[in-house]
Amino acid sequence: NAGVTQTPKFRVLKTGQSMTLLCAQDMNHEYMYWYRQDPGMGLRLIHYSVGEGTTAKGEVPDGYNVSRLKKQNFLLGLESAAPSQTSVYFCASSSRGGYTFGSGTRLTVV
Amino acid sequence: LAKTTQPISMDSYEGQEVNITCSHNNIATNDYITWYQQFPSQGPRFIIQGYKTKVTNEVASLFIPADRKSSTLSLPRVSLSDTAVYYCLLGGNTDKLIFGTGTRLQVFP
Repeated sequence: NAGVTQTPKFRVLKTGQSMTLLCAQDMNHEYMYWYRQDPGMGLRLIHYSVGEGTTAKGEVPDGYNVSRLKKQNFLLGLESAAPSQTSVYFCASSSRGGYTFGSGTRLTVV
Repeated sequence: LAKTTQPISMDSYEGQEVNITCSHNNIATNDYITWYQQFPSQGPRFIIQGYKTKVTNEVASLFIPADRKSSTLSLPRVSLSDTAVYYCLLGGNTDKLIFGTGTRLQVFP
């Protein structure tokens, strides 16, 4: 049982490049979330989804887009990466039984 | 969403009991209180959850007074491996979680 899997684990981008982070969960959870964590800070919610085909903005959505075409996958896109988006990105899913977090994607934008 | 306040950091020695208190004066009637633990370079991990009074599991206890305006996470006999950041969060398991900066616990030998 893998839980929540994030791909890739590490990535270096040049300013202006685009990329997509993939989050996959095998627990049949309805709810999925993308967070970012900067050094010494708590996690901040970027976007979330309450079910397949739905998305909503969190605390810091600017510069990011998301899609939830399949229940088990939640994609986070950066259309034009900026150095301010250098961070560790965590995906999570939840049900009434609680939250499960992935192990994170470390993204550096140079 | 209701805001929580925790100490920024705490120090302890191995074998001691550690109590981390979280203030949440504006907790909503349907909010649960959940504590997560985060090690460096890892995602947060669920520790314990409660609604009122006391909850205990194999790793921690959670004390919640009757007014629910605060809660205390108790870690019995900490070890070096308990060095981590601890977050107090409000809401249900299907609510979006809003994190504060957490409490950085350092355990010394």
